[in-house]
Amino acid sequence: QKEVEQNSGPLSVPEGAIASLNCTYSDRGSQSFFWYRQYSGKSPELIMFIYSNGDKEDGRFTAQLNKASQYVSLLIRDSQPSDSATYLCAMKTSYDKVIFGPGTSLSVIP
Amino acid sequence: DTGVSQNPRHKITKRGQNVTFRCDPISEHNRLYWYRQTLGQGPEFLTYFQNEAQLEKSRLLSDRFSAERPKGSFSTLEIQRTEQGDSAMYLCASSLYGRGQETQYFGPGTRLLVL
Repeated sequence: QKEVEQNSGPLSVPEGAIASLNCTYSDRGSQSFFWYRQYSGKSPELIMFIYSNGDKEDGRFTAQLNKASQYVSLLIRDSQPSDSATYLCAMKTSYDKVIFGPGTSLSVIP
Repeated sequence: DTGVSQNPRHKITKRGQNVTFRCDPISEHNRLYWYRQTLGQGPEFLTYFQNEAQLEKSRLLSDRFSAERPKGSFSTLEIQRTEQGDSAMYLCASSLYGRGQETQYFGPGTRLLVL
């Protein structure tokens, strides 16, 4: 079992819709979780981090964490074409290393 | 603060040659990470430093790969006797560990092509 799993996509949503990106992880000891956005040919850019169960909102982005289900999600409200990118889920493991998932490709259709 | 920088941005080399990449982290950051990323995959951990100490090296990393951070500031990643399978984006990230939530900030990467 891979440590961090994501659907590779592509996920297509119309402009203005809510995009929902999901991630599951295997290390129950993980405490911190991150969402990065990566445009094609560029390096990952941090969007949000979350370490408490529940929701964390920042502008159009909401991260959700459910440690019991080992599940992290990212919601993007009012999706824009500029949100089209690959979204990487990452976790800091119980042995203090950050592991990345394979990423989900998001396409926002104008 | 200009963020994490990496040089060169692109490197084309022939199989069997040695290459060296440099990473300059955000100045106050004490941790520095190296990752490798291939198309369609997330960044794969290679190694990391806290100050000048190399704390972990991936077991996936062959002995052709070596990294240093001699003064706890910039770091170099060297690949000896390059192989075509080494072609990838090499990413460096830095973070401030020990003061609240540690988050990594990435440099622009060095894209390596081995012919």
